[in-house]
Amino acid sequence: DADVTQTPRNRITKTGKRIMLECSQTKGHDRMYWYRQDPGLGLQLIYYSFDVKDINKGEISDGYSVSRQAQAKFSLSLESAIPNQTALYFCATSEATGQRTGELFFGEGSRLTVL
Amino acid sequence: AQKITQTQPGMFVQEKEAVTLDCTYDTSDPSYGLFWYKQPSSGEMIFLIYQGSYDQQNATEGRYSLNFQKARKSANLVISASQLGDSAMYFCAMREINTGNQFYFGTGTSLTVIP
Repeated sequence: DADVTQTPRNRITKTGKRIMLECSQTKGHDRMYWYRQDPGLGLQLIYYSFDVKDINKGEISDGYSVSRQAQAKFSLSLESAIPNQTALYFCATSEATGQRTGELFFGEGSRLTVL
Repeated sequence: AQKITQTQPGMFVQEKEAVTLDCTYDTSDPSYGLFWYKQPSSGEMIFLIYQGSYDQQNATEGRYSLNFQKARKSANLVISASQLGDSAMYFCAMREINTGNQFYFGTGTSLTVIP
């Protein structure tokens, strides 16, 4: 099983619907992130959390909300989806500062299409 | 200003040849990490190599090496002996340790290996 698991992997929905993307991890990392990927734009940070009581906005948080239910779970919600939120969404985890590399470990991605 | 700049949207390389993918970065934090990720057409993000800002030697991982030129703020990825399976998107990323500890990604370079 993957260390970082995202559900659903693919979702097609309609404008105005509420959507939740879920992420769970077995890495034991405190830090979790949600990124959005659009063609030609790389990865943009939506929200991040450095522990269960810590939630921070990233560069493109408008239209999104998150919940850190436990150390291992971090969900992303689109309260009222719109077509320009059609994208590939990644959840990622990392170790805290001080570790040698601290690289991001990514989930498999959730492809969301808003019609 | 962009934190990470990848100026090559697309690159082609002959199989078995070496290729360099360019990455420049911008930071005033003296402590940072530089990362390269590979994204094949299947979509997952694969960590390739890491370079710390205080590392004296260029990082190497198998056929991957990172040409780290600190004064020029560049962190180019060199892939030796290209293989067909190297065809993918490649993303350069930076983590600033003392300034928010976020990861910043470039827009990526699409590499195609020609048989």
